[in-house]
Amino acid sequence: GNSVTQMEGPVTLSEEAFLTINCTYTATGYPSLFWYVQYPGEGLQLLLKATKADDKGSNKGFEATYRKETTSFHLEKGSVQVSDSAVYFCALSEAAGNKLTFGGGTRVLVKP
Amino acid sequence: DTAVSQTPKYLVTQMGNDKSIKCEQNLGHDTMYWYKQDSKKFLKIMFSYNNKELIINETVPNRFSPKSPDKAHLNLHINSLELGDSAVYFCASSPPVTDTQYFGPGTRLTVL
Repeated sequence: GNSVTQMEGPVTLSEEAFLTINCTYTATGYPSLFWYVQYPGEGLQLLLKATKADDKGSNKGFEATYRKETTSFHLEKGSVQVSDSAVYFCALSEAAGNKLTFGGGTRVLVKP
Repeated sequence: DTAVSQTPKYLVTQMGNDKSIKCEQNLGHDTMYWYKQDSKKFLKIMFSYNNKELIINETVPNRFSPKSPDKAHLNLHINSLELGDSAVYFCASSPPVTDTQYFGPGTRLTVL
């Protein structure tokens, strides 16, 4: 079956540092890939997505590129802020209306 | 103008009780989902409905019974609550022809 593996946290950074969260996946077909973010005490928000190989999703300074050859979708941000402190989830979906399969989440803590 | 809403936000109850969580979306989406997030933040699909029809039922105990009175609502009823049911339950919805899901704020269920 499908699976998503992402680096375990917590990841602790100083403000303006570079952030990378690794995500790799296993899927039988050609899934869409997502990053969701969960701020403390809140629900999940879609951060970005990519639907096919070599697509780059971007939002709020975050980027991730769909790499089919390495089955990866790593999340990056060049300069983090304290407000980026949250739990980040990598996920995949095989098709519209299908379930999302999530990674275990990575907690990021940005210190001033 | 909340897109996906859930009630209640918090639910504290005793073992053996029966409880319901309600979800409503005003996005006009056809598909709705229930996910469970455990204490380690791991997210897993429970059910999905498309236009009131059950599509996904992921080996969830029979004590959990989803009900969709119309395509804008998906409720979750839980019988004979157990300690292990303590979790955050998220409702989500998605439009047709896209695999992006939009999440509600979550319901934190605590079984004592």
